[in-house]
Amino acid sequence: QQQVKQSPQSLIVQKGGIPIINCAYENTAFDYFPWYQQFPGKGPALLIAIRPDVSEKKEGRFTISFNKSAKQFSLHIMDSQPGDSATYFCAASARNTDKLIFGTGTRLQVFP
Amino acid sequence: DTEVTQTPKHLVMGMTNKKSLKCEQHMGHRAMYWYKQKAKKPPELMFVYSYEKLSINESVPSRFSPECPNSSLLNLHLHALQPEDSALYLCASSQKTPPGSYNSPLHFGNGTRLTVT
Repeated sequence: QQQVKQSPQSLIVQKGGIPIINCAYENTAFDYFPWYQQFPGKGPALLIAIRPDVSEKKEGRFTISFNKSAKQFSLHIMDSQPGDSATYFCAASARNTDKLIFGTGTRLQVFP
Repeated sequence: DTEVTQTPKHLVMGMTNKKSLKCEQHMGHRAMYWYKQKAKKPPELMFVYSYEKLSINESVPSRFSPECPNSSLLNLHLHALQPEDSALYLCASSQKTPPGSYNSPLHFGNGTRLTVT
């Protein structure tokens, strides 16, 4: 119940495409859903986050869609660029817990 | 560049060595964390310090010993490690616990790449 399932494991798109990464959870106590971006040799960096009281959040070319009833959330990258090539992790946490639960990661490659 | 600074960037050590990893943040955060990340895997939580007190130890072997000398510094002392301990060790901080909450996001450093020979 503490897991966050992430798919796909890897994704290849051409420049300008819209890659979509999906995550699903079971624990209804989760109330914070961030996405992290990690480049090789670097630590994860917070990209965008959402609370379950909204269905969508946009920051620049990155959009989170959230479906509370289905317990699913996804990351969309508009007009993807080669510089977006990285590993993306979804995550979730519940209020008053000391753990951020990470998904298994998606390696995205954007070709010119 | 990240506001959580980790040193060294790379470390190679033998199984009988003693070494330490260091982490520093000057964002005024009161919670600090150690994570371990293997290749192509998500970060795994090891330890959490909240207000300089150890609040979580995720059943980490005693060959890893954390220390939080003050609110800005976090160390991880390593002794008698095994080759399978080779990984990227990430430090993170947040304004307070719980970690990664909407008002207290988790900030990671760039890690120390540890190789145990």
